[in-house]
Amino acid sequence: SYEVTQPPSVSVFPGQTASITCSGDKLGEKYVYWYQQRPGQSPVLVIYHDVKRPSGIPERFSGSNSGNTATLTISGTQTMDEADYYCQAWDRNTVTFSGGTKLTVL
Amino acid sequence: EVQLVQSGAEVKKPGESLKISCKGSGYSFTNYWIGWVRQLPGKGLEWMGIIYPDDSETRNSPSFQGQVTFSVDKSINTAYLQWSSLKASDSGMYYCARSHSSSWNDGYDIWGQGTMVTVSS
Repeated sequence: SYEVTQPPSVSVFPGQTASITCSGDKLGEKYVYWYQQRPGQSPVLVIYHDVKRPSGIPERFSGSNSGNTATLTISGTQTMDEADYYCQAWDRNTVTFSGGTKLTVL
Repeated sequence: EVQLVQSGAEVKKPGESLKISCKGSGYSFTNYWIGWVRQLPGKGLEWMGIIYPDDSETRNSPSFQGQVTFSVDKSINTAYLQWSSLKASDSGMYYCARSHSSSWNDGYDIWGQGTMVTVSS
């Protein structure tokens, strides 16, 4: 089965840029989706089709995807961005979620 | 407002059956896939499968094939996830989510609040 991997944790100071990577074989050939999940809450879609932001998602969230790596970038990180982040991709009619990255805003 | 509202928390014994629900509102329910996602305590998201409310077409994760059943009653805009015989290892949070478009292989832009299932003797 297809696998995507993320670093377990990323730390960033407020106002700095956070980058969370998602790696998988030829991931750049697939669409990648990113979800934010705050403690005790349901996931929220923050990036779809690699680079697009749903309505209501702040402009500081951006995405890229090339080769074997997709990246979620949060510019000017705020304390409210502290959460778990998951990437998702489709492969052979099946969804794969990553294990998630815990973003800590120091 | 577009939303998915799930049924409340359940406490069951091993071997019992269970059916939880997910009611959509604020959009054309039959035009978007509904996915089901499990989250075990302290763990990540696991995709279980999807169902298309218009014709009940389903696609299952191999990990959950034969373990659960997806169904829908489009007359009341409600999707269901069902177990015939629960195990303790089924304990967790279950989310329903709407596909971002009418394509089956898309992401999920609307999520339910989750249904906590506890299976314990």
